[in-house]
Amino acid sequence: DAKTTQPNSMESNEEEPVHLPCNHSTISGTDYIHWYRQLPSQGPEYVIHGLTSNVNNRMASLAIAEDRKSSTLILHRATLRDAAVYYCILRALHSGAGSYQLTFGKGTKLSVIP
Amino acid sequence: DAGITQSPRYKITETGRQVTLMCHQTWSHSYMFWYRQDLGHGLRLIYYSAAADITDKGEVPDGYVVSRSKTENFPLTLESATRSQTSVYFCASRQRTGELFFGEGSRLTVL
Repeated sequence: DAKTTQPNSMESNEEEPVHLPCNHSTISGTDYIHWYRQLPSQGPEYVIHGLTSNVNNRMASLAIAEDRKSSTLILHRATLRDAAVYYCILRALHSGAGSYQLTFGKGTKLSVIP
Repeated sequence: DAGITQSPRYKITETGRQVTLMCHQTWSHSYMFWYRQDLGHGLRLIYYSAAADITDKGEVPDGYVVSRSKTENFPLTLESATRSQTSVYFCASRQRTGELFFGEGSRLTVL
């Protein structure tokens, strides 16, 4: 499976934008890029996903490099509630019958400073 | 309320006992998953199910049993609990567009 590399931790000031990077140099042409986050003592929460084009939703934006070997999750104005571990995950478009084995790495722990 | 719920949220048991963790979703999603989360290992897939009566092993299935008699339920059973199965267990279901929705987790301690 293609793997992702993320920094272990990042800090941001409240109300400032945050750019969370992810490297996935072995990504295949049919892999989707998914982002999840996990707040303390909660289950992971879906944030956003994309294939080639940049994507926006109410939670965040996803910027995907032209060669797709890296991507960046953008939180436009960090709040204290955004303090969480953020996971960048690749999901194959065709994973075989019944398989959808999202592999969660260790993610990036984001701290938001008031 | 719609969503995915896990029970119990907290459980303490003894080595050798059987434990069942329940997972229920109200969306009629076909795919459901069980993960465990341990410090230093992130989330690891235990079992998944593509539909009622269809289950398959994930990365760490040993010591666990699952069943899926109904689409909305996906219980996970530890037939003879061991200390190494002390963990936080997360159930998830998958929307058609690919997003996973997770429950709040079941924290299991095996003494």
